Amino acid sequence: DAGITQSPRHKVTETGTPVTLRCHQTENHRYMYWYRQDPGHGLRLIHYSYGVKDTDKGEVSDGYSVSRSKTEDFLLTLESATSSQTSVYFCAISESLDRGRVNTEAFFGQGTRLTVV
Amino acid sequence: KNEVEQSPQNLTAQEGEFITINCSYSVGISALHWLQQHPGGGIVSLFMLSSGKKKHGRLIATINIQEKHSSLHITASHPRDSAVYICAARITQGGSEKLVFGKGTKLTVNP
Repeated sequence: DAGITQSPRHKVTETGTPVTLRCHQTENHRYMYWYRQDPGHGLRLIHYSYGVKDTDKGEVSDGYSVSRSKTEDFLLTLESATSSQTSVYFCAISESLDRGRVNTEAFFGQGTRLTVV
Repeated sequence: KNEVEQSPQNLTAQEGEFITINCSYSVGISALHWLQQHPGGGIVSLFMLSSGKKKHGRLIATINIQEKHSSLHITASHPRDSAVYICAARITQGGSEKLVFGKGTKLTVNP
């Protein structure tokens, strides 16, 4: 299995509190992504990173911020959690097709189930 | 409009049937992934395609770059194939790339 872990796996938090989810990889992949998965919407991109300190917004970035201070970690922060952010969050990693590496598959963490009450 | 569209949204089949799931995209891509998500949530990458066809066991994935279309086929389907199948396009923008997902196809294979 690819070395990608998410923490925590489950979290219940109160509305208005900040929450940070962590994605850690041991594959040295360039790209890291945070998605949320909701019924009827599939996987929607929140933010992604294409290198250390290089991040960009996805389609549902409002209310979220990210940081990538080193290659292996990509943090997702809910600045002030709301009930609409109750979801399952997935981290994914991939490598550039042009880097000539054999392994260019995308890999996914096991997901974090976040409930905001 | 989503950049990646999948069809059908739901699919029910009898064991042994040949299954086809379709994925269309509206932008230029560098590659397309087919993923499988079982109940319980884990997502597994099945294929990554940039051209032609790939086969792994009973699974076959094809892509037509000109038509911006990919298909995932399952031959001799089995109840253990029941899962959500998701296609994801690698879209390059301004020197970086991102993965954009279809909404998934929920496949149920009955014995």
